[in-house]
Amino acid sequence: GNSVTQMEGPVTLSEEAFLTINCTYTATGYPSLFWYVQYPGEGLQLLLKATKADDKGSNKGFEATYRKETTSFHLEKGSVQVSDSAVYFCALSSGSARQLTFGSGTQLTVLP
Amino acid sequence: EPEVTQTPSHQVTQMGQEVILRCVPISNHLYFYWYRQILGQKVEFLVSFYNNEISEKSEIFDDQFSVERPDGSNFTLKIRSTKLEDSAMYFCASSGEANYGYTFGSGTRLTVV
Repeated sequence: GNSVTQMEGPVTLSEEAFLTINCTYTATGYPSLFWYVQYPGEGLQLLLKATKADDKGSNKGFEATYRKETTSFHLEKGSVQVSDSAVYFCALSSGSARQLTFGSGTQLTVLP
Repeated sequence: EPEVTQTPSHQVTQMGQEVILRCVPISNHLYFYWYRQILGQKVEFLVSFYNNEISEKSEIFDDQFSVERPDGSNFTLKIRSTKLEDSAMYFCASSGEANYGYTFGSGTRLTVV
């Protein structure tokens, strides 16, 4: 079956630091990959996506590249801000299954 | 930007009572979903709904749960007899094309006491 393994948190960084949150997956077929963000007290928001190998998703300074050879989709940002403090979820959907399979989430706290 | 709207934002209910969680998906979306997130745990898939019927459901979605699209705009999740372990954040989502990302609502926090 499908599964997503995500770097455990919490992660605490200083403002302007470089961020990497690791995500690897197991899936049948060729999944689509997503990062969702959950700000305190809010729902899940799609941050970025990639639908085929070597695609790079990007949004708000965040990037992730779909690496089929390493089955990974690591989230990166060159310079984090306090406003990036949130929980980040890696997720996939695969084949005819329309459901999303989520990782366990990584809590990011950015200190001023 | 179009939104998925969920009501109520927080509901407290007694064990054994029925609850109905309501959602208004994005109007031109065709696929509808419910997910839940028990505090501090993963977001888990419950059910997907397409063309007025359930298209997929998880093991969590047992006979206590049902979904309905009663009027072409609302999408509801009913829990017939709530248990303490049903306490969670319930998220509704909708999508136009399923593999290109959903739009989630802001969730209903259900507390069963």
